[in-house]
Amino acid sequence: AQSVTQLDSHVSVSEGTPVLLRCNYSSSYSPSLFWYVQHPNKGLQLLLKYTSAATLVKGINGFEAEFKKSETSFHLTKPSAHMSDAAEYFCVVSSSGSARQLTFGSGTQLTVLP
Amino acid sequence: KAGVTQTPRYLIKTRGQQVTLSCSPISGHRSVSWYQQTPGQGLQFLFEYFSETQRNKGNFPGRFSGRQFSNSRSEMNVSTLELGDSALYLCASKALTGTAGGEAFFGQGTRLTVV
Repeated sequence: AQSVTQLDSHVSVSEGTPVLLRCNYSSSYSPSLFWYVQHPNKGLQLLLKYTSAATLVKGINGFEAEFKKSETSFHLTKPSAHMSDAAEYFCVVSSSGSARQLTFGSGTQLTVLP
Repeated sequence: KAGVTQTPRYLIKTRGQQVTLSCSPISGHRSVSWYQQTPGQGLQFLFEYFSETQRNKGNFPGRFSGRQFSNSRSEMNVSTLELGDSALYLCASKALTGTAGGEAFFGQGTRLTVV
């Protein structure tokens, strides 16, 4: 079984300040982890992925995430928020074995204040 | 390379009717998955197809069905529509199935409204 918990349903930051979106996962197998972003009325766009290589993963638009097995966490960070970062972010787990489908967290709505 | 194409983008149906949604994956991708997104339940997995075979199914009633054609295009059908079926239906394609690390590419979705 696999599951994902996004610890904050809403995060609000000021433009130019750091962003932290928190994610914890549970998986019976070695997981692959992803962060996706969804802008209003749009599909999902992949920001970054972890697949058992380097634990610090860099993605698009300045985002990065660190895989911490001991804490079962995969938090998403960005040093400086931009107005265009306002969107909903999903942490996703995919495991090998029979549970190959993606399991999504409940999402974190990021608001960026001017 | 063209992305994942879903048609139609918007659909309004009446309770009791049936609906068919279409998804064309990225060229060369043979795995297609379907997801339902609602404000209350979030994103939930419906099913996955690979080489015209259903490989995985989520926890949805039998009114939800799908199929995949030899060109990897997929259709999803919902019969006897209920108000609760109103949702954004997302399709995702992957190059390989069984590869946990393979990233999924999503279409823009079909917004289904049941009245």
